[in-house]
Amino acid sequence: AQSVTQLGSHVSVSEGALVLLRCNYSSSVPPYLFWYVQYPNQGLQLLLKYTSAATLVKGINGFEAEFKKSETSFHLTKPSAHMSDAAEYFCAVIYNQGGKLIFGQGTELSVKP
Amino acid sequence: NAGVTQTPKFRILKIGQSMTLQCTQDMNHNYMYWYRQDPGMGLKLIYYSVGAGITDKGEVPNGYNVSRSTTEDFPLRLELAAPSQTSVYFCASRNVDEQFFGPGTRLTVL
Repeated sequence: AQSVTQLGSHVSVSEGALVLLRCNYSSSVPPYLFWYVQYPNQGLQLLLKYTSAATLVKGINGFEAEFKKSETSFHLTKPSAHMSDAAEYFCAVIYNQGGKLIFGQGTELSVKP
Repeated sequence: NAGVTQTPKFRILKIGQSMTLQCTQDMNHNYMYWYRQDPGMGLKLIYYSVGAGITDKGEVPNGYNVSRSTTEDFPLRLELAAPSQTSVYFCASRNVDEQFFGPGTRLTVL
């Protein structure tokens, strides 16, 4: 079955440190890939998306993600974490145009002062 | 634009009661979705619609019903509420490749 896996349900970093949230998908056909952020008691907000254009995608709030077909990965990074980045992050995939969005389990990011 | 709106924000139901979660979008999107979010489980698709008059089951449809009489509205109906339906419910609408989410409804069934 097509799926998306986020490694690590909880990641903790210090303020100013690199943020790396991992996402792997399960298809040999490059899908559409998304990262969403959810702040406490709010809905999901799109951070960035990959739709078969440039493999390095820049999003909002300084986040970026790189699509690596050979590794079936779409990891999310930010060079320097801010306290305001503390939230839950979801990787999501659409495997064919018109298809349904499949979500990973989510990774909760904590940022320590 | 308001985007995707959901009402109510919070609700407590007794076992066996029924209720309707409302969802409205003002972006003229054809595709709309209902998800539930449980801790550590990500979002699971309950029902979706590709346009007015057309609905289909998602991954976890049991215990729910939907209708889509207009492009704007996509209500989710719970009949005979059960504790397993305690969750946060999100509605979303979609343009070409991006989904827009509502703020969610937090439902507790006791």
